Amino acid sequence: DAKTTQPPSMDCAEGRAANLPCNHSTISGNEYVYWYRQIHSQGPQYIIHGLKNNETNEMASLIITEDRKSSTLILPHATLRDTAVYYCIVSAGGTSYGKLTFGQGTILTVHP
Amino acid sequence: DAGVIQSPRHEVTEMGQEVTLRCKPISGHDYLFWYRQTMMRGLELLIYFNNNVPIDDSGMPEDRFSAKMPNASFSTLKIQPSEPRDSAVYFCASRLTAGSEQYFGPGTRLTVT
Repeated sequence: DAKTTQPPSMDCAEGRAANLPCNHSTISGNEYVYWYRQIHSQGPQYIIHGLKNNETNEMASLIITEDRKSSTLILPHATLRDTAVYYCIVSAGGTSYGKLTFGQGTILTVHP
Repeated sequence: DAGVIQSPRHEVTEMGQEVTLRCKPISGHDYLFWYRQTMMRGLELLIYFNNNVPIDDSGMPEDRFSAKMPNASFSTLKIQPSEPRDSAVYFCASRLTAGSEQYFGPGTRLTVT
């Protein structure tokens, strides 16, 4: 699986958009970009995933560059409850199994 | 659905004792994963099952660790004998074949003294 690079930490003001970047320059054609987050002491929670098109759901938006070498997770209106570690993972997805390899992630702190 | 259920939530045991962690996946999910999380090593995949069959156990640290899935609704992770370095949070997760996301349980915090 391709490796990812994320900043170790980021801050965001409550109510503002949080933009979390991820580099995955060695991504293969069949690999998806997944985002999970882990709120303190809880199990990781799935947020969103995509292959090459931008994706949006009730939690977030995922913007993937045209060359697929990087992506950005956008939390449009961050709240204090969005404070968590955010993991960007690249893996084969869809109906075939893809092993999730968690890196160190980005610690996002949302402050009042 | 209640989500992935793990028990116990906390376990404190002495070195040398046997420890058994339990997991009930989401009904209908046919993949089950066991992870371990420590400050030093982060979140690591230990083993995963597909349709109750172990597929990849390359992450299992050593022979003291074993995992079973006797049926579609139950799995165990056993450590015998336990050591202080096994202290960690152990997560179980499940997913559908046709889906992409994994659903994680709340974890079991294991402390071996």
